[in-house]
Formats: sequence, C-alpha cells, structure tokens
Amino acid sequence: SQELEQSPQSLIVQEGKNLTINCTSSKTLYGLYWYKQKYGEGLIFLMMLQKGGEEKSHEKITAKLDEKKQQSSLHITASQPSHAGIYLCGADIDGNNRKLIWGLGTSLGVNP
Amino acid sequence: DAGVIQSPRHEVTEMGQEVTLRCKPISGHDYLFWYRQTMMRGLELLIYFNNNVPIDDSGMPEDRFSAKMPNASFSTLKIQPSEPRDSAVYFCASTLRGGTQYFGPGTRLLVL
Repeated sequence: SQELEQSPQSLIVQEGKNLTINCTSSKTLYGLYWYKQKYGEGLIFLMMLQKGGEEKSHEKITAKLDEKKQQSSLHITASQPSHAGIYLCGADIDGNNRKLIWGLGTSLGVNP
Repeated sequence: DAGVIQSPRHEVTEMGQEVTLRCKPISGHDYLFWYRQTMMRGLELLIYFNNNVPIDDSGMPEDRFSAKMPNASFSTLKIQPSEPRDSAVYFCASTLRGGTQYFGPGTRLLVL
C-alpha cells in the first residue's frame, strides 16, 4: 500500500467550480510538497508546507497542512482550464528532507 | 536561468540494448536525484547524490542500473541490458542544501 495516499485519483470539473485534493499519511509529515505535472513535462513546484496548521496560497490555489501534520489539502477556487493536469504530493517522513515519498497523483480535468 | 536539463527527451530501444540517460542540474545545486515514474508505482526515487557522491542507491532496481556523477554539472543513468519492464519516464531533479527539488522535463523510455 502507498505510504502517501492521494484522493481522489481523478476528477473532472466544470470551469468556475471549486475543488479539493487530499494527501494523507499515517506518519508525521516533516515537510509536504505540492507539484503540478502536465503530460510530457516535468513536475512544477507549487508550494511547500512544514508547520502544523500552516496555509499557503498562490493565485487561486491554497494548500493547508493539518495540525497533526498527517494530512494536507490543495484547494482550487474558481477552476480554469489552465489548472488541468496531474497534482502530486511529496512528503518528507523522516526529517532529513532528502528522500521524499510520493502519492500516485490526482488527475484534474477542467471543462470550459 | 536554465532549469534542469535532460536528454534525450524520448528513447525507443530494443530489449538487451544499453540505454544512457543524461542530466544537467541547476548550476550551484549540490543534490541530484534520479526518479522513475510509472502508472502503477508512481514516482520512485532511484538514487541521489550530494556533491557528486552517491548517498543512497537503495532504490536502484538491480545491477542492470548504474548512475554516475563525474562532476557538479553532469550525471548519467545507465541501463544495461534494458528490458521491457524498464519502460517508464525517468526524471532528474536537483536542489540546494536539500530544499525544494526542481525537476527536469524527463526522458520517456520505451523498451521493445
């Protein structure tokens, strides 16, 4: 089983709708990274969270790390076709911030 | 500034052939990571280097895989002999002092 679970596996939303992607671990997350990947391209860094309860925003994307530091959510407000892609979470679970574990990704489609 | 550069972007080869993937990290970065991405297993860390020295190669599948970093601006991942199950996207990433990892565009490998 995956040490880092992402949900949902995929979703398609209508343009303008809000959506949330979750990333959950049974272990403490010393650092949690969110990346976006488009087909045929590399991973683009979005945000990094470290402290329990931390929240960061970039344009219409907000990421949160829960107080227990075992779950993170990525929320997109008023989705646009440009948000389509695969969202991956990567986590530091041993505190050395070198060997990250990764979720399988969430595939997002946005219909115009 | 140039990001992480990988070559080739696509590689199609026949089973048994040697495959060499190349990576140029971001200038000044002291960590370099090689990953493999498949639909079934997601993103897996193969090996990482610090200051050109291999630190952890526990993710390398078997002896058919080898990686080198002869200098701070170049690394190779070699598969010899290649097998169909090696078909995947291989990513290189680099970071400064173990911070956020920046990924290259990947090499899409197909072994027939």
